[in-house]
Amino acid sequence: KQEVTQIPAALSVPEGENLVLNCSFTDSAIYNLQWFRQDPGKGLTSLLLIQSSQREQTSGRLNASLDKSSGRSTLYIAASQPGDSATYLCAATGGGADGLTFGKGTHLIIQP
Amino acid sequence: EAGVAQSPRYKIIEKRQSVAFWCNPISGHATLYWYQQILGQGPKLLIQFQNNGVVDDSQLPKDRFSAERLKGVDSTLKIQPAKLEDSAVYLCASSLLSTSYNEQFFGPGTRLTVL
Repeated sequence: KQEVTQIPAALSVPEGENLVLNCSFTDSAIYNLQWFRQDPGKGLTSLLLIQSSQREQTSGRLNASLDKSSGRSTLYIAASQPGDSATYLCAATGGGADGLTFGKGTHLIIQP
Repeated sequence: EAGVAQSPRYKIIEKRQSVAFWCNPISGHATLYWYQQILGQGPKLLIQFQNNGVVDDSQLPKDRFSAERLKGVDSTLKIQPAKLEDSAVYLCASSLLSTSYNEQFFGPGTRLTVL
């Protein structure tokens, strides 16, 4: 059974800083890994999807990496902005399940 | 392209009552998922449909929860009778195909409060 852990649970940084959010998973037989953003009271917005054959994906100021051998993924946010404040969720498929297994998320606050 | 639609957005009921949620996936998406998100937690998969067939319902509390996807498009999730611990956001997602390589897209969710 796949288990996903996210560290840290919460993070507060000044505007303009680069930051890294961490995600680890227990079953390396992963099909893909998705990073989501969730604003308060809203649904999930897909940010990046990394397939098992890929090492990283980039979209604008976001870069996500995947290391299956160590069971880790990171989400790098460059030049953070107050509008980046949200909860960031990491989720993995595979591990015998087709649906996503989610971590508990990292609550990010960017201070103006 | 329209996203995943869900209704209602909010629902408040008393324990032991029944409730139903509706989801309309992105047009052409064969796979539909229902997730439960309890406050402070990540979403948990309840059930996955491929067209109108159930692929995975291993985490669905079948004594009180049921779901259907008639005609392989819209889906309904029902809780009967509701318990206090069912208070959560119920999220519907869809993907183009059933393979795990496909990106899932989520609706806005239905926030259920059980009193």
